[in-house]
Amino acid sequence: NAGVTQTPKFQVLKTGQSMTLQCAQDMNHNSMYWYRQDPGMGLRLIYYSASEGTTDKGEVPNGYNVSRLNKREFSLRLESAAPSQTSVYFCASKGSGAGRNEQFFGPGTRLTVL
Amino acid sequence: AQSVTQPDIHITVSEGASLELRCNYSYGATPYLFWYVQSPGQGLQLLLKYFSGDTLVQGIKGFEAEFKRSQSSFNLRKPSVHWSDAAEYFCAVGAVYNNNDMRFGAGTRLTVKP
Repeated sequence: NAGVTQTPKFQVLKTGQSMTLQCAQDMNHNSMYWYRQDPGMGLRLIYYSASEGTTDKGEVPNGYNVSRLNKREFSLRLESAAPSQTSVYFCASKGSGAGRNEQFFGPGTRLTVL
Repeated sequence: AQSVTQPDIHITVSEGASLELRCNYSYGATPYLFWYVQSPGQGLQLLLKYFSGDTLVQGIKGFEAEFKRSQSSFNLRKPSVHWSDAAEYFCAVGAVYNNNDMRFGAGTRLTVKP
């Protein structure tokens, strides 16, 4: 049981390049999330998927797109990377039921945009 | 939307000393409250959570937190800190009306002196 996995762990991009961050969970969770973590700002929600086939914007969605490929996988795409997107990206998942269920986090992807 | 404030960016304590990390939230109803810990280069791990009932909550690794509605606070405590507790700590508040909307504080970095 690996929990939440993310690939890659590190990535360096040039401005304007595109890339996709991958996330998978093996806990049969319905909900999945993408956050970014910046110094002094905690984690901010980019997008989430409450169930397979649905996605919704979070607090900071601009410049990102997501795909809920199936129940296990939720990817985050940067179409044209900008230096402001330099950050650590975390994927998380949560089981169904009331909001009391905590989110489980992956190890993160550290992205640098030059 | 709900919000979280962690007033202390960085705290240093001696090993064996007691610890209290502060968390204040803003939300119009009884929130769901969480404390997470993040070791360097790692994802977030849940320490404890509060939904309702007993306002003193016990967590893993000897941590506890107390919900005080009158002060809109959810402070994290540990009676005797170990060197392995050095990490960053995040308080988070979840909304009852939208169980996918969780807001994080900016974090408190804990340094433990030998």
